[in-house]
Amino acid sequence: GQNIDQPTEMTATEGAIVQINCTYQTSGFNGLFWYQQHAGEAPTFLSYNVLDGLEEKGRFSSFLSRSKGYSYLLLKELQMKDSASYLCAVRDKDYQLIWGAGTKLIIKP
Amino acid sequence: IAGITQAPTSQILAAGRRMTLRCTQDMRHNAMYWYRQDLGLGLRLIHYSNTAGTTGKGEVPDGYSVSRANTDDFPLTLASAVPSQTSVYFCASSDSTNTEAFFGQGTRLTVV
Repeated sequence: GQNIDQPTEMTATEGAIVQINCTYQTSGFNGLFWYQQHAGEAPTFLSYNVLDGLEEKGRFSSFLSRSKGYSYLLLKELQMKDSASYLCAVRDKDYQLIWGAGTKLIIKP
Repeated sequence: IAGITQAPTSQILAAGRRMTLRCTQDMRHNAMYWYRQDLGLGLRLIHYSNTAGTTGKGEVPDGYSVSRANTDDFPLTLASAVPSQTSVYFCASSDSTNTEAFFGQGTRLTVV
């Protein structure tokens, strides 16, 4: 079966750095996405990785290792508004998105 | 530009009733999707459409049907609602099958 694993919840301090990990086992691979979802709102796109390596976009970076079935989302200079759930999703061989359950990130002052 | 719009925002529905959730996008995206999101579970695909006139079944299609008569609209119908269909439903669209998806604001459905 297809599976996406990420931690259920993480806590970090305002101004710090946090890394959210995602491991996946899917039928084929056509890219990995990270989305942010604030409580009661829709998911919004953060990043996309299809090749190995690090993609940097402002305070957020995303890393992919296809051989290890592993990705992480790195958030720097954390702000209170970063409190949200972070969803990892993988496109399989049929170009369907397989979603993780999400990591709830709690930011403390 | 509205993007992708869902209606209603929330609904309480009696079991056994028929209900259609509406989804409209103005981005001229080819692909559209319906997901349900339940606590502790990832988004699960109900039905999808890669282009107008075609639809396909996702991971959890039973009890749901869709149609895609044109590019902009992708309604989801529950023929006879059951309590297990209580969930938050998200409609999404993407330009193609390998680009990021944009989501509507969601419909919170409670079946009693």
